[in-house]
Amino acid sequence: AQKVTQAQTEISVVEKEDVTLDCVYETRDTTYYLFWYKQPPSGELVFLIRRNSFDEQNEISGRYSWNFQKSTSSFNFTITASQVVDSAVYFCALLNNAGNMLTFGGGTRLMVKP
Amino acid sequence: DAGVIQSPRHEVTEMGQEVTLRCKPISGHNSLFWYRQTMMRGLELLIYFNNNVPIDDSGMPEDRFSAKMPNASFSTLKIQPSEPRDSAVYFCASRKASRLTDTQYFGPGTRLTVL
Repeated sequence: AQKVTQAQTEISVVEKEDVTLDCVYETRDTTYYLFWYKQPPSGELVFLIRRNSFDEQNEISGRYSWNFQKSTSSFNFTITASQVVDSAVYFCALLNNAGNMLTFGGGTRLMVKP
Repeated sequence: DAGVIQSPRHEVTEMGQEVTLRCKPISGHNSLFWYRQTMMRGLELLIYFNNNVPIDDSGMPEDRFSAKMPNASFSTLKIQPSEPRDSAVYFCASRKASRLTDTQYFGPGTRLTVL
């Protein structure tokens, strides 16, 4: 079985602060895939990033960055200089090697206050 | 390119009524997934199709739920009869089947309320 844990259920920051959302996963597969999705107040699920287990390079996209640490089974997401529009629920997800099981974490609700 | 399209976006019905949710996957995507999101259980997979064929329906809660994919561009999820505990947001997602580990892209969801 595989599992994704997002220990922070809710985070509140003031605009322009940096914030890191934690994600820890468990899997027996040696090859797997990690994702982050954003769910804004409007409700849709928006794909943000995908990372393959064999690629541990960190990634930066504008104000967003992701830190993949295979040794600690973590895939953390940092927003730099947060903005009110970043307010959403963020989900971390794990896809198994067979591609038939996408497991979501419980989500972290991020509130960015002006 | 258009994303995954779901209709209706909101559905309010009374217990015992039949409910049909619709999904149009991204053009060229051959895998389609139905998920349900609730506060208690989070996001859970109900069923998925590859090339219009149901592959895994182990997540379908009970016989009241059924899903079909008559062609590559359309799928339905039907609940008959509906119950208040079916109230949730139902998401459809699609993926290219060329690689089973490709990213799933989600539709906007259908918020179902059963009174």
